[in-house]
Amino acid sequence: AQTVTQSQPEMSVQEAETVTLSCTYDTSENNYYLFWYKQPPSRQMILVIRQEAYKQQNATENRFSVNFQKAAKSFSLKISDSQLGDTAMYFCALNSGGSNYKLTFGKGTLLTVNP
Amino acid sequence: DSGVTQTPKHLITATGQRVTLRCSPRSGDLSVYWYQQSLDQGLQFLIQYYNGEERAKGNILERFSAQQFPDLHSELNLSSLELGDSALYFCASSVGVGSYNEQFFGPGTRLTVL
Repeated sequence: AQTVTQSQPEMSVQEAETVTLSCTYDTSENNYYLFWYKQPPSRQMILVIRQEAYKQQNATENRFSVNFQKAAKSFSLKISDSQLGDTAMYFCALNSGGSNYKLTFGKGTLLTVNP
Repeated sequence: DSGVTQTPKHLITATGQRVTLRCSPRSGDLSVYWYQQSLDQGLQFLIQYYNGEERAKGNILERFSAQQFPDLHSELNLSSLELGDSALYFCASSVGVGSYNEQFFGPGTRLTVL
């Protein structure tokens, strides 16, 4: 079974500052993919960033980057130069294949960016 | 806009009723996934189809069923509805079935059971 844990139900950050959201996971598979999805008040699920487990290099997408620690099974998201539009629920998700290719999601972290 | 469409956007119905949620995947995507998002359970995988065939089942109730048609659109049927079925139902699609395939989510259908 695969599990994803997000231990921070809520976080807040001032505009233009940097914030890090935490995620830990568990899987018995060797090859898997990790994702961060953003869900703004519109409820649309938007992919923020993706990391392939076999790649050592941390993924980056503009202001978003991850710190992937495979041995520790940790996958944190760093948002730099936070903007008001970053206010959303952020979900960490794992897809480890096996018998199916479902996404397993954490409970989410509600991030509020304050002006 | 992800390219995945879902209808209707909102649905209000009564306990015991049956509803059908519809999803059209992105052009070229063969795989469709259904997820349920509720306050108590979070985001949960329900079922996956690939090119018309069921590939995987998650926490889907026996009262729920789904299918994927030859034109690749999918329908999720929910019957004998209960108050606890009130949730946001997402459809997602991807090109293939590998874990590397990015899943693109539709806007969701908000189901309210009264």
